[in-house]
Amino acid sequence: AQSVSQHNHHVILSEAASLELGCNYSYGGTVNLFWYVQYPGQHLQLLLKYFSGDPLVKGIKGFEAEFIKSKFSFNLRKPSVQWSDTAEYFCAVRFNDMRFGAGTRLTVKP
Amino acid sequence: EAQVTQNPRYLITVTGKKLTVTCSQNMNHEYMSWYRQDPGLGLRQIYYSMNVEVTDKGDVPEGYKVSRKEKRNFPLILESPSPNQTSLYFCASSPRQGHYGYTFGSGTRLTVV
Repeated sequence: AQSVSQHNHHVILSEAASLELGCNYSYGGTVNLFWYVQYPGQHLQLLLKYFSGDPLVKGIKGFEAEFIKSKFSFNLRKPSVQWSDTAEYFCAVRFNDMRFGAGTRLTVKP
Repeated sequence: EAQVTQNPRYLITVTGKKLTVTCSQNMNHEYMSWYRQDPGLGLRQIYYSMNVEVTDKGDVPEGYKVSRKEKRNFPLILESPSPNQTSLYFCASSPRQGHYGYTFGSGTRLTVV
């Protein structure tokens, strides 16, 4: 069965710093990959997804992610974070069901 | 507005008292799913449904039941809640399996005392 690993549990950055959150998955077949964001007290919202084509995908709010098949990775990036990006970020992989990583909490200091 | 509606948002109950958390979507989605979210564990799937009258267990189904009698509704039933079911619960739907992302409900925070 597929699984997802997120390497960082809690990341603390200052505003304008660059962000990269790691995500690795275990499934070797065709996968559909997602990043979700959960702002404090809210439900999960889709940031971006990859299922085919250009391995560099752009999402909402200036986020992007790169699918590297050889590394089974789908890392999330943002060149310059803002205080409003403080949230929890979840990587997910979907073959039939959606499997989520444990999440990375991002704190951005003003 | 396209959405997944869960009720209630907050619930405190006592051990053993049966409860139902409702979930309804207005997008004609075939696929619906229930997750629980616990700190450090991410989201774990409880049950899912690929269509009306088709349900299956996820990773943590013990102590839960579901039904899918209509396409729009997918209630989660706790027949005899226990304190280890205290958690944040999310319902989600998608058009079908594959590359579709989920639309999530707003969540139900359940406390069992």
